[in-house]
Amino acid sequence: GQQLNQSPQSMFIQEGEDVSMNCTSSSIFNTWLWYKQDPGEGPVLLIALYKAGELTSNGRLTAQFGITRKDSFLNISASIPSDVGIYFCAGRRTDKLIFGTGTRLQVFP
Amino acid sequence: EPEVTQTPSHQVTQMGQEVILRCVPISNHLYFYWYRQILGQKVEFLVSFYNNEISEKSEIFDDQFSVERPDGSNFTLKIRSTKLEDSAMYFCASSLNLNEQFFGPGTRLTVL
Repeated sequence: GQQLNQSPQSMFIQEGEDVSMNCTSSSIFNTWLWYKQDPGEGPVLLIALYKAGELTSNGRLTAQFGITRKDSFLNISASIPSDVGIYFCAGRRTDKLIFGTGTRLQVFP
Repeated sequence: EPEVTQTPSHQVTQMGQEVILRCVPISNHLYFYWYRQILGQKVEFLVSFYNNEISEKSEIFDDQFSVERPDGSNFTLKIRSTKLEDSAMYFCASSLNLNEQFFGPGTRLTVL
């Protein structure tokens, strides 16, 4: 089946540091999305990317849709404690989203 | 800001029982979805629904599962005869187009 691999699996960083995580696939996607999930809650949409090469920002978050359409990265600048959670990439080709394996982010004050 | 809502937040049932999970999608959205997430794992697609019919379903969505939009606001997922392995968080999502899917808070289903 289609697999989206995220790296790193987990990150432990100091408050104020910048964070970078990425997502790769063997398949091409039409849309890349990044979601954040807090424990026991639903995924919250952070950024949506629609075109190869597109770079989009949302506050301290920046994401890019890879040129090959098989990868995407998410950067978080100047991390704060509430950035803690699991970050999932998701790719869309048909109706459905294929979710990545997730990156767990811990931020220490 | 409009959001997807789901009820109940937690459902406990005996194996073999039927359950219905309910969702109210965002009101002007046209596409509706169910996903599930087994504890500690990634979110998996179950089914998408558009124009009053299923548009796509995964191999997980077998004959035990069904979806319905009984009126203009609700979207339900029925599991006919629950199995232990159906225990998971079930998320409803909706979208105006196919791209940005917005998720509800989930229903935790526990099958005993």
